[in-house]
Amino acid sequence: DSGVTQTPKHLITATGQRVTLRCSPRSGDLSVYWYQQSLDQGLQFLIQYYNGEERAKGNILERFSAQQFPDLHSELNLSSLELGDSALYFCASSVEAGDKNIQYFGAGTRLSVL
Amino acid sequence: AQSVAQPEDQVNVAEGNPLTVKCTYSVSGNPYLFWYVQYPNRGLQFLLKYITGDNLVKGSYGFEAEFNKSQTSFHLKKPSALVSDSALYFCAVRGGYSSASKIIFGSGTRLSIRP
Repeated sequence: DSGVTQTPKHLITATGQRVTLRCSPRSGDLSVYWYQQSLDQGLQFLIQYYNGEERAKGNILERFSAQQFPDLHSELNLSSLELGDSALYFCASSVEAGDKNIQYFGAGTRLSVL
Repeated sequence: AQSVAQPEDQVNVAEGNPLTVKCTYSVSGNPYLFWYVQYPNRGLQFLLKYITGDNLVKGSYGFEAEFNKSQTSFHLKKPSALVSDSALYFCAVRGGYSSASKIIFGSGTRLSIRP
């Protein structure tokens, strides 16, 4: 168990809908990362937060947004969902934001858009 | 721009034999290199990392990796494979001059160890 908690484990929804994925980092970790893993795109970095502020941005679509709250949990909001958004979404956390830090991954949320 | 390549989609090895999973990278500045493993229906788990110092890095579960600057490689190795090593392995690179650089993961290599 990595200590990173993601909810829900599975999510099934329809095209055009909006969903929110939640992540609780390991105790003491200030940085949270979001990733999308799909069969055709592999593991793609979406966005990173550190202590409530956006720190780095990857291949995140404009339909997606995220935030990190004062208690350090994070939410990833996906809107106007398309079939191609079906994927496994991972959250990871690390103690700090720097490049040397090990990331600890949650078990993921599997999103199915029908 | 940063990039990382894992040239093999799949590696098949007999139990007890040595294994190598290849990774090459491209980054401006000093690279920080990582290996992660993903078991079915699980998130990624950290195996080892290279930041600086000794080119041979030892990690979890008996794995090690060798940083080769001239070949820009960071291959993952294990002297004697176990069936339980069967999983998806990802190489990742982070680096450059920004303290907030993005981490780039390779496409993954599926390691299959046959009994």
